[in-house]
Amino acid sequence: SAVISQKPSRDICQRGTSLTIQCQVDSQVTMMFWYRQQPGQSLTLIATANQGSEATYESGFVIDKFPISRPNLTFSTLTVSNMSPEDSSIYLCSVEGGEYYEQYFGPGTRLTVT
Amino acid sequence: RKEVEQDPGPFNVPEGATVAFNCTYSNSASQSFFWYRQDCRKEPKLLMSVYSSGNEDGRFTAQLNRASQYISLLIRDSKLSDSATYLCVVIKTGANNLFFGTGTRLTVIP
Repeated sequence: SAVISQKPSRDICQRGTSLTIQCQVDSQVTMMFWYRQQPGQSLTLIATANQGSEATYESGFVIDKFPISRPNLTFSTLTVSNMSPEDSSIYLCSVEGGEYYEQYFGPGTRLTVT
Repeated sequence: RKEVEQDPGPFNVPEGATVAFNCTYSNSASQSFFWYRQDCRKEPKLLMSVYSSGNEDGRFTAQLNRASQYISLLIRDSKLSDSATYLCVVIKTGANNLFFGTGTRLTVIP
């Protein structure tokens, strides 16, 4: 499986500001995914990021709030814009890696918005 | 209706016990099934894929029943290190994203 790193690992931010989360993979991958895990909840897909095209957002998530970049096949960023306390969550990136389309996750970014 | 439903538990079992988790999924066109394990404050990690014929990996056995849209995970001879949240995960045909259940929390007690 791929080795995935995320930066920052955690941050505390004030409401109204924005945070950009980076995801780096040690091998080239076609698809990268961004998930959110709110406290006590399971994971919810935010968007799928393909290199060279616009990200595809899931219902309830919009580009203005969660802009995504995918400049190459090993890197992606997710920005959480104009943050509110409701955005406090763990944000995880993942890549597809197997015969059955299983995914492997980065260590996550723990965001607290005050 | 949720895509994937699990009993959240918690399941508290003694060391050495056998424990089983169940999961149901709503979309009959689902194509791939997995169990992930998530430790506290960590990312989910793939435990095993679930094959149509069922599969076993050491103390862990996964079963799939397509007719009933039901997946199970059996853990034999539980160890303290098995304490974690177990997530049932499904991929729908034609989609790439994973649908996660809410997870079943297991605590193995000495």
